[in-house]
Amino acid sequence: EAGVAQSPRYKIIEKRQSVAFWCNPISGHATLYWYQQILGQGPKLLIQFQNNGVVDDSQLPKDRFSAERLKGVDSTLKIQPAKLEDSAVYLCASSLGGTSDEQFFGPGTRLTVL
Amino acid sequence: QKEVEQNSGPLSVPEGAIASLNCTYSDRGSQSFFWYRQYSGKSPELIMFIYSNGDKEDGRFTAQLNKASQYVSLLIRDSQPSDSATYLCAVENYGGSQGNLIFGKGTKLSVKP
Repeated sequence: EAGVAQSPRYKIIEKRQSVAFWCNPISGHATLYWYQQILGQGPKLLIQFQNNGVVDDSQLPKDRFSAERLKGVDSTLKIQPAKLEDSAVYLCASSLGGTSDEQFFGPGTRLTVL
Repeated sequence: QKEVEQNSGPLSVPEGAIASLNCTYSDRGSQSFFWYRQYSGKSPELIMFIYSNGDKEDGRFTAQLNKASQYVSLLIRDSQPSDSATYLCAVENYGGSQGNLIFGKGTKLSVKP
């Protein structure tokens, strides 16, 4: 079974530029998560989708971050414009959907904002 | 602000010893607790989850939960150098959506041969 796929793996941009990250979850997984992990910290949930609907985006900085999940499968996270403090690893995870269901993480995208 | 606290370490133990990792959480309503392992430069992977007070064992790993004290721990018996990683404690965000987890900062474990 293929795991969670993410691209790109690395991205370097200047502040105020835009960037987009892509995630393809494990087939059949209804729930998709985007996390931000700053160096030395644990992952912080940005947004959670159940199928193609948003169930939690309370920690998403909506003035600059946006996300969508097309047809309940792939998802894209966008930052526009980027700030220096957005430098982090962006992790996508997916699960079948229940509280006890294991979240499977993708390899992440390391973003550096200069 | 709901919090999950872990000692950042590093925790250094000799090979073959027991490593003890601790976690406290602020939300008394939380019911589900998870331990993830994250190797340097890699993504987190689930080791164990626990819902009930007491101990839960899986191979060399034992998770312990005390809801009254709002305390979760992970014991690793017969520690191996391959166990060297950061261990993340995650707690269900009670009142949030299903699967909504709050992660601690992680404890870095180093197992010396």
